[in-house]
Amino acid sequence: QKEVEQNSGPLSVPEGAIASLNCTYSDRGSQSFFWYRQYSGKSPELIMFIYSNGDKEDGRFTAQLNKASQYVSLLIRDSQPSDSATYLCAVNPGGGNKLTFGTGTQLKVEL
Amino acid sequence: DGGITQSPKYLFRKEGQNVTLSCEQNLNHDAMYWYRQDPGQGLRLIYYSQIVNDFQKGDIAEGYSVSREKKESFPLTVTSAQKNPTAFYLCASEPGTGGVGAFFGQGTRLTVV
Repeated sequence: QKEVEQNSGPLSVPEGAIASLNCTYSDRGSQSFFWYRQYSGKSPELIMFIYSNGDKEDGRFTAQLNKASQYVSLLIRDSQPSDSATYLCAVNPGGGNKLTFGTGTQLKVEL
Repeated sequence: DGGITQSPKYLFRKEGQNVTLSCEQNLNHDAMYWYRQDPGQGLRLIYYSQIVNDFQKGDIAEGYSVSREKKESFPLTVTSAQKNPTAFYLCASEPGTGGVGAFFGQGTRLTVV
């Protein structure tokens, strides 16, 4: 079982819709969770992090964490063509262990 | 300005040659990572270091070597033993507490010619 799993996509949504990206992780003791956006040919950039169960909102982005289900998601409201990118989920198990990335979900926002 | 710098941005290497990719950070981060990314693929961990003078192999360490003699620097050498080195190489760093996420350099695109 992979440590961090994401559907590779592509996930296609129309402009203005809500995009929902999902991630599951295997280490129940994981403490911090991150979402990165990576445009083609560029390096990943951190867009959200979450530590506690529940929702965390930042502009059009909402991260959701459910530790009991070992599930973290990213919602993008009012999706724009500029949101088209690959979204990487990352998990830090804590205790000095390494940050672990999922393989990413490609999002396409269509006009 | 604080940040993480990789150089060069593009690198061409002849088969059989070793090449070293540079990664420098001035964020005072304890942990540093090297990843490889192939077209359309996710990040694969090569090596990581959580403290000076110590580093651990990642998932695909064969054919690569690293050093961590200074907190700020984590160079990666791609040796001739790496059979398919053409890829996009990404360096990242994060604070030792690991709570705020890792920050990436701009990447080095290595092509074997």
